[in-house]
Parts: sequence; C-alpha cells; structure tokens
Amino acid sequence: AQSVAQPEDQVNVAEGNPLTVKCTYSVSGNPYLFWYVQYPNRGLQFLLKYITGDNLVKGSYGFEAEFNKSQTSFHLKKPSALVSDSALYFCAVRESQSNTGKLIFGQGTTLQVKP
Amino acid sequence: DSGVTQTPKHLITATGQRVTLRCSPRSGDLSVYWYQQSLDQGLQFLIQYYNGEERAKGNILERFSAQQFPDLHSELNLSSLELGDSALYFCASSSRDYNEQFFGPGTRLTVL
Repeated sequence: AQSVAQPEDQVNVAEGNPLTVKCTYSVSGNPYLFWYVQYPNRGLQFLLKYITGDNLVKGSYGFEAEFNKSQTSFHLKKPSALVSDSALYFCAVRESQSNTGKLIFGQGTTLQVKP
Repeated sequence: DSGVTQTPKHLITATGQRVTLRCSPRSGDLSVYWYQQSLDQGLQFLIQYYNGEERAKGNILERFSAQQFPDLHSELNLSSLELGDSALYFCASSSRDYNEQFFGPGTRLTVL
C-alpha cells in the first residue's frame, strides 16, 4: 500500500537560513511525488512535482526538492528561508501505474521561520 | 486563485442532517477530486470523478456520495451527519491523472 511519512511535525528555522522539510514514501513501482503548501484558512497550493527525469526539481517561490530513489525520499528545500514561508507543508505520492489521480498525503509539517 | 471554486465556504448544521457541497473545476479540467481534512485523520482522499464517471474511491463513508455533472461541476452529499464529520472538505481538479491537482478554498463543515 502507498504511504507517505513526514517525520517532523514542526520545523523551526531562522530567516535567511536554509530549510529542509523531510518526506519519505512507499509505493510499488515508480512514484509521482508532489509538494503542497497550505496557509491558514486557505486551500492547498501546488509547489512542485517529480514525475521523471532530473532528481532535483525546482518549483514555486524558490523551493526545490530532491528525489532519492534509494532512500525513497523527496525532501523539500530552500536555500534562504523567509518569514512568509511559514505555513503547513504536505508531501503527496501517486503510483505511476495507477489509472487514477488519487494522492496519498503525509501528515504535514508546520514550518516556522523566525525573524 | 487556483481557478477551482467551492460553495459554501462555511456550513453549520446539526447531527442527522444532510448537506451538499458544490465544486466547479478549473476550465478544461475533466477530473474532480474530493478530500477531507481533519485534525485526527489529516488529509484523506474521498473520491475522484473523471468526465462524469467515478474513477477512484478512497475512505468515503457510505453516508457520503458524490457525482459529477455534464458541465463538470461536482457535488458531495453528506447525510446522517455525525459530530465526527466536522472537517474541511476540499475539492481539487486536474487535467490528467499524473498532473498536479489544483485545490479550491474548501468548505468548512461544522456539525453541532
């Protein structure tokens, strides 16, 4: 069965420092991986996705993620955090062989960026 | 703005009642998804429709049902409501199964 784990409930980082939000996944076959961000009282916003190709994926707002097949990980990164990056971040996975678009989400990680 | 609209934004109702949540996908998107977000269960996939047909079913209760109409808008019907059904219900749409999904702002359901 597909699953996604975000091992940290919360990540705290100082503004200007690099940030990493961790995600590991379990699927049979090749994964399609996604990161979404949710600001308070808002819907989820798409950040980036990995389908195939280059393991380093660049997305919106300066975020990037690195796909590591051997470690089944897809960590979200940003070189220099902003206070406005503070939000709830979700990693999601879909099986490539699936004939549906069903996404399995992790529990979410709250990112707190302090000035 | 994702281009996905959901109505109503908030819904307060009593146990045992029935409600209908409405979603209009982005222009051109054939797939509509429904998700439930609650504190204890997190973000859970409920159901997907593609061009009017049910495509996938997740952890959707038998008291819940959905449909997608010819104009591609979708409705999620929740009946015999219980306190535990209180949650944020999101609709999302996509053009292809493997593409990113765009989420609406959600409907916050409170069952008293």
